[in-house]
Amino acid sequence: IQMTQSPSTLSASVGDRVTITCRASQSISTWLAWYQQKPGKAPKLVIYKASSLDSRVPSRFSGSGSGTEFTLTISSLQPDDFATYYCQQYDTYLTFGGGTKVEIK
Amino acid sequence: DVQLVQSGADVKKPGESLRISCKTSGYSFTTYWIGWVRQMPGKGLEWMGIIYPGDSDTRYSPSFQGQVTISADKSISTVYLQWSSLKASDSAMYYCVRQIGVSSHFDYWGQGTLVTVSS
Repeated sequence: IQMTQSPSTLSASVGDRVTITCRASQSISTWLAWYQQKPGKAPKLVIYKASSLDSRVPSRFSGSGSGTEFTLTISSLQPDDFATYYCQQYDTYLTFGGGTKVEIK
Repeated sequence: DVQLVQSGADVKKPGESLRISCKTSGYSFTTYWIGWVRQMPGKGLEWMGIIYPGDSDTRYSPSFQGQVTISADKSISTVYLQWSSLKASDSAMYYCVRQIGVSSHFDYWGQGTLVTVSS
């Protein structure tokens, strides 16, 4: 299953509402996770099962979608949120999207 | 606290063998799967394979089948990723991850092990 993220890079300011999209090449129900990775660090889980927020993650993050189209939304971008975000499907084997870098505008 | 602590960076020559480790703590080692993820320099994430330490059931991504071996030692709550003959293209960061099932998200990550293969 191929995962396609858009955009590949996103420039935004602190306080902006940010949305990242992930599309699957076939239906994956809600078997989708989102991860945040900062430079030189291991990724961290943000969202699982498309919309479930990991307990360690601030509530400004949210996920939605099912089937083949999914979104990760940050309601009010904070300085700590500038990072690369990856989606991952776990319906059939496990594959990742190519990543979306959220950078400072 | 759940922790996955990986072995340190390593530099090897092509053709050499290597085993890197992921020592776990803070949970029941035999009731979660541990997987490995590769990240080549400046690139994205690739899932390599997974092991269930409870019975050593091991699965591999088709892309990595036959290229690496995953094993576990229950006595020390540690999972290994092994190469018998390294190639320059194996140079990457490798992460171990905890998974609830074969097809599941990763709730905890190791800090990563950088492997450099160069003549």
